[in-house]
Amino acid sequence: QVQLVQSGAEVKKPGASVKLSCKASGYTFTTYTIHWVRQAPGQRLEWMGWINSGNGNTKYSQKFQGRVTITRDTSANTAYMELSSLKSEDTAVYYCARDSPTIWGSWLDPWGQGTLVTVSS
Amino acid sequence: QSVLTQPPSVSGAPGQRVTISCTGSSSNIGAGYDVHWYQQLPGTAPKLLIHGNNNRPSGVPDRFSGSKSGTSASLAISGLQAEDEADYYCQSYDSSLSVVFGGGTKLTV
Repeated sequence: QVQLVQSGAEVKKPGASVKLSCKASGYTFTTYTIHWVRQAPGQRLEWMGWINSGNGNTKYSQKFQGRVTITRDTSANTAYMELSSLKSEDTAVYYCARDSPTIWGSWLDPWGQGTLVTVSS
Repeated sequence: QSVLTQPPSVSGAPGQRVTISCTGSSSNIGAGYDVHWYQQLPGTAPKLLIHGNNNRPSGVPDRFSGSKSGTSASLAISGLQAEDEADYYCQSYDSSLSVVFGGGTKLTV
């Protein structure tokens, strides 16, 4: 079955960077775009960006532009999300999700289990 | 704040029907982009509930239904059950090829 498995929890100090992974299985990795979405404690879902796993093209939310980098390794069927200059407000669960495209936009399914990133001095 | 607007909370008794609205603009829902809905149980990842405005993935009960009109969409849940208590999010696209979410609605049964 289609599955996304994310890397484990991270604790980082303010100003540091974090790089999370999302390993895909059960489908041809290069056929689908991967999105990254985060959720701060008790808060809403917040879209961060996507990567076309085939050609590597990316699109980032304006909010994170300049701080986020999404990459992929097709040999490992894995997408990565790196967030730099971390602040306490970046404490959140970070999810990856597979894109299901249509002419009129796409939905996200399935989702990874999430990775908790805690930013604290 | 969120690009798509949802009520923060709704509630209903077991067996009743509730609806959750999702209001966008001419650059997202009003531009023709589909609306999708997710259910998030406490401590878990969001789960796709409705895609393409009114389509249920396999395994989602037909108590859940969606609709879209103009710049808005709605999720209806009939025959409320205790297990439906969760957060619900709408999602669409906007003309800048960005994914947009609603602020989420907490359903209390």
